[in-house]
Amino acid sequence: DAGVTQSPTHLIKTRGQHVTLRCSPISGHKSVSWYQQVLGQGPQFIFQYYEKEERGRGNFPDRFSARQFPNYSSELNVNALLLGDSALYLCASSSVPAGGATDTQYFGPGTRLTVL
Amino acid sequence: AQKVTQAQTEISVVEKEDVTLDCVYETRDTTYYLFWYKQPPSGELVFLIRRNSFDEQNEISGRYSWNFQKSTSSFNFTITASQVVDSAVYFCALIHLNRDDKIIFGKGTRLHILP
Repeated sequence: DAGVTQSPTHLIKTRGQHVTLRCSPISGHKSVSWYQQVLGQGPQFIFQYYEKEERGRGNFPDRFSARQFPNYSSELNVNALLLGDSALYLCASSSVPAGGATDTQYFGPGTRLTVL
Repeated sequence: AQKVTQAQTEISVVEKEDVTLDCVYETRDTTYYLFWYKQPPSGELVFLIRRNSFDEQNEISGRYSWNFQKSTSSFNFTITASQVVDSAVYFCALIHLNRDDKIIFGKGTRLHILP
């Protein structure tokens, strides 16, 4: 079975541009979460979606937005890119909402975003 | 406040040695889960273990073992007879049961296994 997939693998943008990152969860998983991991740090939570509804949001500015589609895939959008947005963006899927009794989040390989 | 602390930033050991990675957490909740993930150079976080707060039984899986002690709020990870392939960054994480809350990661411990 395929794991969590993310596209693109790498991306280079310039300041002020917009970016869209994509994630497909493990088949049967209805929850998708997004994380930002800057170099040398642990992942930081950005969003969680379950059944196409936002279930949680981390401390990120409104430039960050996301959505989940009927097939449970998800997009993360970042507007007006800043140099500090350079990071590895990780997507994780689980069968239940984060914190659910059987929750285990499985991560994709990430999208490495570089903002110049 | 909820927090996960991995005090060891970087550890180097020679192959075949045992190594323990420390994890200390803070939470006011009584029901929560703790996790360990491995992040090899490829970047993908690999799930290793999940432990709920009501189960303090230690667990062993091959060369990996975990020691969960609520009294000291610790969830330490030991690799026995380390191998070069164990080289990676290891993250400890915490999430609360039945809350639409974020999973909180520690800053990670970079483990180098030297041949």
